[in-house]
Amino acid sequence: SQTIHQWPATLVQPVGSPLSLECTVEGTSNPNLYWYRQAAGRGLQLLFYSVGIGQISSEVPQNLSASRPQDRQFILSSKKLLLSDSGFYLCAWTPGLASDEQFFGPGTRLTVL
Amino acid sequence: GQNIDQPTEMTATEGAIVQINCTYQTSGFNGLFWYQQHAGEAPTFLSYNVLDGLEEKGRFSSFLSRSKGYSYLLLKELQMKDSASYLCAVSDSNYQLIWGAGTKLIIKP
Repeated sequence: SQTIHQWPATLVQPVGSPLSLECTVEGTSNPNLYWYRQAAGRGLQLLFYSVGIGQISSEVPQNLSASRPQDRQFILSSKKLLLSDSGFYLCAWTPGLASDEQFFGPGTRLTVL
Repeated sequence: GQNIDQPTEMTATEGAIVQINCTYQTSGFNGLFWYQQHAGEAPTFLSYNVLDGLEEKGRFSSFLSRSKGYSYLLLKELQMKDSASYLCAVSDSNYQLIWGAGTKLIIKP
């Protein structure tokens, strides 16, 4: 069966510090991978998606970046965090198109102080 | 622009029925999803509609009218564990999901 992992579960970082969130998927190959951010009481905002190794599409211009160094690994990074980067970060995968059900990881709650 | 509208919050009584509505305006349509999200947790899939009509799955049913840009999620025999946010999402012409802000459902005894 397929599983998706995210870490860390929670993170408190000062403004201006770097960020690295990791997501890995097990039990499948060549998944489509997604990074979302959810602000308190809001819907999901798609940040990045990837259809393959080294292929990243950005949906929202901001100070975040993403990388996919391996087939089942997706990393979200920032060189300098802003207060507005606080939120609940979710990684998700689908076996094919986004018309397929998306399976979400447990999420990372980031607080920038 | 693309837009998904759903009520912010609803309250219902344990054992009752509740209907959560979702209206959408998107560039293209490749299906509509409903997800359940408990506080502090990730969303989990409930249903997918791509054709008009009603899809029933146990206590949960989802309806779609593409001509009206409208869907609803129907929850029957409500239980306390159904207290959660319910997210409506539409797959657009690029197969990207456009998400609503979610409806927080409060179940009272």
